[in-house]
Amino acid sequence: QKEVEQDPGPLSVPEGAIVSLNCTYSNSAFQYFMWYRQYSRKGPELLMYTYSSGNKEDGRFTAQVDKSSKYISLFIRDSQPSDSATYLCAASLDGNNRLAFGKGNQVVVIP
Amino acid sequence: EAGVAQSPRYKIIEKRQSVAFWCNPISGHATLYWYQQILGQGPKLLIQFQNNGVVDDSQLPKDRFSAERLKGVDSTLKIQPAKLEDSAVYLCASAFPGPTHNEQFFGPGTRLTVL
Repeated sequence: QKEVEQDPGPLSVPEGAIVSLNCTYSNSAFQYFMWYRQYSRKGPELLMYTYSSGNKEDGRFTAQVDKSSKYISLFIRDSQPSDSATYLCAASLDGNNRLAFGKGNQVVVIP
Repeated sequence: EAGVAQSPRYKIIEKRQSVAFWCNPISGHATLYWYQQILGQGPKLLIQFQNNGVVDDSQLPKDRFSAERLKGVDSTLKIQPAKLEDSAVYLCASAFPGPTHNEQFFGPGTRLTVL
C-alpha cells in the first residue's frame, strides 16, 4: 500500500469552474500535508501546506485535511487557463522530513 | 533570490553506462534532497542531506546509486551502472531547516533516458 494515494486521472474543466482534487494517506503519523503544482518540464512548486487537520484558504485555493478519515483535498475556485498543470499531494512526518507524494492529477482548464 | 540549479537538464545514455547529476541548492539551505520522478508518478525521495551528513537514504538503491555533498553545499548523484528502469527525472530540492514546516524548493530536474 502506497503511503499517499491519488487517482492520477486527468481532469478537464471549462474556465471558471471549480476544480476538486483529493488524496488519501495511510500513515497516521503524518502531520504536514502539502499541495504542489508542477508545470511541464519544471520542478514542483509549493502551492499550500496544512499542519494537522483543518482548512486553509489562499485566494482561489482551499486545502482541507481530515485526519480522522486520512483525506486531503484541494479546491480551486474560478479556475483559469494558467491553472493548467499537474497537482501533487504530499505528506510528511515533520517539517523537515521526506515528502511522500501521490501520483498527481493533470488538470486542463479550457478557455 | 536564485533558485535550485541542476545540470545537465537532459541526458541520454545506454544501459550499463554511468552518469552523474549536479545540484547547487539555494544559498543558506542546509538540507538537500534528491528525488526520482518516473513518468506518471510522484517524486520519490532517494536521499536527504543535512549539511554534508546523510539523514535518510533508506530508498536509495545503494548497489548502483551514490550521492555526496562534500562541503555541505553542492551535491552530485551518480548511477553506475544504469538500468532501463532508471529512466526518470531526477529532482534536487533544498530547504532551510527549522522547528516547523520548511518549504522544499525544487530545481527543474535532470531528465535521464536509458536506452
